[in-house]
Amino acid sequence: DQQVKQNSPSLSVQEGRISILNCDYTNSMFDYFLWYKKYPAEGPTFLISISSIKDKNEDGRFTVFLNKSAKHLSLHIVPSQPGDSAVYFCAASARGNTGKLIFGQGTTLQVKP
Amino acid sequence: DAMVIQNPRYQVTQFGKPVTLSCSQTLNHNVMYWYQQKSSQAPKLLFHYYDKDFNNEADTPDNFQSRRPNTSFCFLDIRSPGLGDAAMYLCATSRDQGVGEQYFGPGTRLTVT
Repeated sequence: DQQVKQNSPSLSVQEGRISILNCDYTNSMFDYFLWYKKYPAEGPTFLISISSIKDKNEDGRFTVFLNKSAKHLSLHIVPSQPGDSAVYFCAASARGNTGKLIFGQGTTLQVKP
Repeated sequence: DAMVIQNPRYQVTQFGKPVTLSCSQTLNHNVMYWYQQKSSQAPKLLFHYYDKDFNNEADTPDNFQSRRPNTSFCFLDIRSPGLGDAAMYLCATSRDQGVGEQYFGPGTRLTVT
């Protein structure tokens, strides 16, 4: 029973264009969502998060959108850069539930020069 | 720099031979987590410590144990590794339980021969 799903294993975009990574969840108790970026041979690095009381959070080139009714969130990277090429994990938690993170399987983003 | 350190980065063990993976942190965080990540899958939480309180996930096999002798260190013990235990093991920390993001170490790649 996979509560957090990233249905696209990979995504390829041209440098300078927008990258959109998607994530769906099933547990309505989730109220905090995070995106992590992972380079080969490194651990996941926190990128951006959003609380369920918001529908958008922005940090520089990275914006996360949350659609609670659809149980869907997305990460937008604009403009995409070759250094953004990595695996991106979506994660969700229910506050008050020990902070346990449930991860998606990840999406490998390749940004071509 | 404050960080999460995992040793060794690569570990090879024999089938059935006990192995210990190490994690240390200089962030002075209260919570330490151990995740297992198999190839192309989502990281899966095995257990976590909130200070000295151990919290095991219901589906974590008994073969996996953990120790946290002090705030800075946490160990993952695999008592009798099987071929199915070959994976990346990620240690993470968070300032408190149920709040905020988790900070990950680079992981230990375990091979079982």
